[in-house]
Amino acid sequence: KQEVTQIPAALSVPEGENLVLNCSFTDSAIYNLQWFRQDPGKGLTSLLLIQSSQREQTSGRLNASLDKSSGRSTLYIAASQPGDSATYLCAVRARDDKIIFGKGTRLHILP
Amino acid sequence: GAGVSQSPSNKVTEKGKDVELRCDPISGHTALYWYRQSLGQGLEFLIYFQGNSAPDKSGLPSDRFSAERTGGSVSTLTIQRTQQEDSAVYLCASSRSGGGGYEQYFGPGTRLTVT
Repeated sequence: KQEVTQIPAALSVPEGENLVLNCSFTDSAIYNLQWFRQDPGKGLTSLLLIQSSQREQTSGRLNASLDKSSGRSTLYIAASQPGDSATYLCAVRARDDKIIFGKGTRLHILP
Repeated sequence: GAGVSQSPSNKVTEKGKDVELRCDPISGHTALYWYRQSLGQGLEFLIYFQGNSAPDKSGLPSDRFSAERTGGSVSTLTIQRTQQEDSAVYLCASSRSGGGGYEQYFGPGTRLTVT
């Protein structure tokens, strides 16, 4: 059974720092991995989608990597800003088409 | 164009009543997904539609839950005889196709409270 774990559960860093969020999954047989952010009381916003054949994706200050063989993905945020404060979720799409989410990392950027 | 919309945004119901939640996907998106997010819990995958078909319903928590999709567009999630543990935010997402290559776009959710 696919399980997705995100570490740390919460993180506070000063504005301007670079940071890395981690996501691990137990079954490497996935179609893709997607990173989302969720603001309090809101739905999810897609950040990056990495196909199983890809190693990384970049969008602005965000870079996501995927190492399928080791069951890991990282989300790198450069030059963090207070507006980056949110919960970050990763999700894997398994071969049976089920999408399994981690419980998220609550990020707080200190002004 | 318009994003995924869900209605109602909030629903308070008494234990034992039936509720119906609605999702309008992005126009042209053939795949539609339902999730549940309980307080302090992660997102729980419920069901996925490709067109009007749901290949796997095993994610639905109990036989009180059912979902349908008609015309390849609007979907409804029905919960019969609601229980307090059904209280959660129910999220819907759609993607261009059901294949693994497409991003999911989420609606704002329906917050269900069972009293």
